[in-house]
Amino acid sequence: AQSVTQPDIHITVSEGASLELRCNYSYGATPYLFWYVQSPGQGLQLLLKYFSGDTLVQGIKGFEAEFKRSQSSFNLRKPSVHWSDAAEYFCAVGANAGNMLTFGGGTRLMVKP
Amino acid sequence: DTGVSQDPRHKITKRGQNVTFRCDPISEHNRLYWYRQTLGQGPEFLTYFQNEAQLEKSRLLSDRFSAERPKGSFSTLEIQRTEQGDSAMYLCASSLESIRGSPLHFGNGTRLTVT
Repeated sequence: AQSVTQPDIHITVSEGASLELRCNYSYGATPYLFWYVQSPGQGLQLLLKYFSGDTLVQGIKGFEAEFKRSQSSFNLRKPSVHWSDAAEYFCAVGANAGNMLTFGGGTRLMVKP
Repeated sequence: DTGVSQDPRHKITKRGQNVTFRCDPISEHNRLYWYRQTLGQGPEFLTYFQNEAQLEKSRLLSDRFSAERPKGSFSTLEIQRTEQGDSAMYLCASSLESIRGSPLHFGNGTRLTVT
């Protein structure tokens, strides 16, 4: 069975500081990995995805994520956080891009001015 | 591409009543998913359709829940005899099934409150 763990429930960073959100997954085959962002009361917006190839993937809004097979991780990073990045972030794993996804519990990001 | 549309955005109902939600996927997407998200949690898979066929259902989907996609376009999710534990955000997503596929695109959800 596939599973996703996001160890940090809440993270607070200062505006302009760098950010790293952790994601660990468990999956039997080569995973398809995703990061989604959710603003309060809204649906989920896709930030980026990893299928294969280059293990460092670029997404929207200046986010990037690195796939590390040896660590079963897919951490999300941003070099300089903006106040508008405050939201909940979800990591997800699936069998392929258009297939059912299993989500982690989410990390709520707060940004201090 | 007008995105995934869900209706209503909010629904308040009394325990024991039936409710129905609608989802209109992105027009060319042949897969449609329903997820449930409770406060502070990630979305949990409920069921999905490929065209009009319901291919998988989660154990979370009790007998009181039924989903349809009659013509392979929009979908409805009905909850009969609602319980307070059904209070959650119900998210619909769609995707295009292919070798690589397209990622799931989510609607803004229907928030259900059972009083």
